[in-house]
Amino acid sequence: QKEVEQDPGPLSVPEGAIVSLNCTYSNSAFQYFMWYRQYSRKGPELLMYTYSSGNKEDGRFTAQVDKSSKYISLFIRDSQPSDSATYLCAMPSKTGFQKLVFGTGTRLLVSP
Amino acid sequence: AAGVIQSPRHLIKEKRETATLKCYPIPRHDTVYWYQQGPGQDPQFLISFYEKMQSDKGSIPDRFSAQQFSDYHSELNMSSLELGDSALYFCASSLGGDLQFFGPGTRLTVL
Repeated sequence: QKEVEQDPGPLSVPEGAIVSLNCTYSNSAFQYFMWYRQYSRKGPELLMYTYSSGNKEDGRFTAQVDKSSKYISLFIRDSQPSDSATYLCAMPSKTGFQKLVFGTGTRLLVSP
Repeated sequence: AAGVIQSPRHLIKEKRETATLKCYPIPRHDTVYWYQQGPGQDPQFLISFYEKMQSDKGSIPDRFSAQQFSDYHSELNMSSLELGDSALYFCASSLGGDLQFFGPGTRLTVL
């Protein structure tokens, strides 16, 4: 069983929709949570990171962490075709920022 | 802003050959990480270096070795290549184990 689980999708939505991407994790020692966006055949791009439970907003993106449920989410408002990519959640495997453990990634397709 | 640079971007090798992948971290970053990403898979951690010393090791085959040099760039050396080594290899860098920023990757194809 993977330490981080993520629905691989694909998730298809129309332009302008609100997108919800989710991950669950099993290791309660995880303290930092990141979301990376990866376009096809490109390197992962750091989108957001959070430390504590609660919400963090950056433009159209909101990251949410529920440590009690070991559940994290990324919301994208007013989704655009350019948001079409694979979204990976990631967590450092030790306290602090160390090697990352990734979810399998959710492929998002936003149609015009 | 300067990003992580990886070279070459594409590499084609025959089985049992060797390959060397290079990574140039973001200026002033002192930590380098190597990840391998197979088709349709998430990146898997291979190895990391902090201040030129190996800081962590993951599922890296014995046929692979890596090092970080005095200018903080890193090289991943892969010998006796196998078909299963075909993948995207990413380098990421950070400052003292902080947030990791990824390079564009090297696509290795083993024939």
